[in-house]
Amino acid sequence: AQTVTQSQPEMSVQEAETVTLSCTYDTSESDYYLFWYKQPPSRQMILVIRQEAYKQQNATENRFSVNFQKAAKSFSLKISDSQLGDAAMYFCAYRSGQYGNKLVFGAGTILRVKS
Amino acid sequence: EAQVTQNPRYLITVTGKKLTVTCSQNMNHEYMSWYRQDPGLGLRQIYYSMNVEVTDKGDVPEGYKVSRKEKRNFPLILESPSPNQTSLYFCASASSTQINYGYTFGSGTRLTVV
Repeated sequence: AQTVTQSQPEMSVQEAETVTLSCTYDTSESDYYLFWYKQPPSRQMILVIRQEAYKQQNATENRFSVNFQKAAKSFSLKISDSQLGDAAMYFCAYRSGQYGNKLVFGAGTILRVKS
Repeated sequence: EAQVTQNPRYLITVTGKKLTVTCSQNMNHEYMSWYRQDPGLGLRQIYYSMNVEVTDKGDVPEGYKVSRKEKRNFPLILESPSPNQTSLYFCASASSTQINYGYTFGSGTRLTVV
């Protein structure tokens, strides 16, 4: 069974600075997808960024980018120019390309942004 | 607006009193799932459905039931709730052709069983 580990329960960043959230996963599959979801205090789950395992190029969405290291099974999220609105719980998630009926989530990282 | 609608948003109930959390999506999605979120555990899948009348257990199905009689609706039933089912619940849906782009989640239901 696949597992996703987020080793940082909490992180803090100063407004306008850069922060990196860590995520590692364990799988024996070669075809899979990785996601970062943001959960603000409103509880809504918002998709931040996604990565296909077969793509070597790291995904980027505006201020959000990932560092995908397939051999190391690592999928970190970098937030540049942090804003107060980035404060939230962030979840890393894995989806099998073959048995894609579910997302496997990490425990989450709370990100606090200081002004 | 494309969305997944869950009701209620908050619910407090007593042990053993049957309850249903409703979930409806307006995007004609085939895939629907229920997750529960607990501190330190992230979200875990309870049940999923790949289409009408097709449902299967996820990782933590004990104490829950689901049905998928219509494509848009996927209710979660707790026939005899217990305090260990106190949690934050999410319904999610995805298109079978767009599933690689992630799921759309509802706003969550905070359930407390006393």
